[in-house]
Amino acid sequence: GQQVMQIPQYQHVQEGEDFTTYCNSSTTLSNIQWYKQRPGGHPVFLIQLVKSGEVKKQKRLTFQFGEAKKNSSLHITATQTTDVGTYFCAGRDNQGGKLIFGQGTELSVKP
Amino acid sequence: DAGITQSPRHKVTETGTPVTLRCHQTENHRYMYWYRQDPGHGLRLIHYSYGVKDTDKGEVSDGYSVSRSKTEDFLLTLESATSSQTSVYFCAISEGSGSYGYTFGSGTRLTVV
Repeated sequence: GQQVMQIPQYQHVQEGEDFTTYCNSSTTLSNIQWYKQRPGGHPVFLIQLVKSGEVKKQKRLTFQFGEAKKNSSLHITATQTTDVGTYFCAGRDNQGGKLIFGQGTELSVKP
Repeated sequence: DAGITQSPRHKVTETGTPVTLRCHQTENHRYMYWYRQDPGHGLRLIHYSYGVKDTDKGEVSDGYSVSRSKTEDFLLTLESATSSQTSVYFCAISEGSGSYGYTFGSGTRLTVV
């Protein structure tokens, strides 16, 4: 079945450093979504990408969808302590399947 | 997020007992989902519903059942709780099956002893 792999599992950075998490699917996706979960909280929807090669920005966050629609990335520029949390990607395959979540990348930021 | 609530927030139960978790929404969304979250596994889909009395299994449905008798309520039942079902359970809602962002509830932390 469809699998969505996310790396790295953990990332520790110094405040001000950049951060990137990568998401790879075993099948072509119709869309990919990104979520953020603060420690002790619940996942919160950040964004959805639909088009091949699509790039979207939200302030210091840049989201990309690969040309083949099988991978995606989230890049945070100049991390802040408020960026701490776990970032999940979630992809839906072209056969109209359910949204499948990656394992998440846990980001910690040292002040 | 406003519009979706889970109850209880915390529960400790004994092995072998049935447990029911409740998800209630006020958004009138068609789709509702139950996920479990465990370290190293991310979010895994247990069951989902695409309408009243319309439900289907997810990837980890064994030992769980669901019911949706009203649009606003989606119940998850652990028929006979086991220690492997100790987890954090999240309910989510969406307007569509995967083309819309999901809104998650605050979660239920379940401990089976």
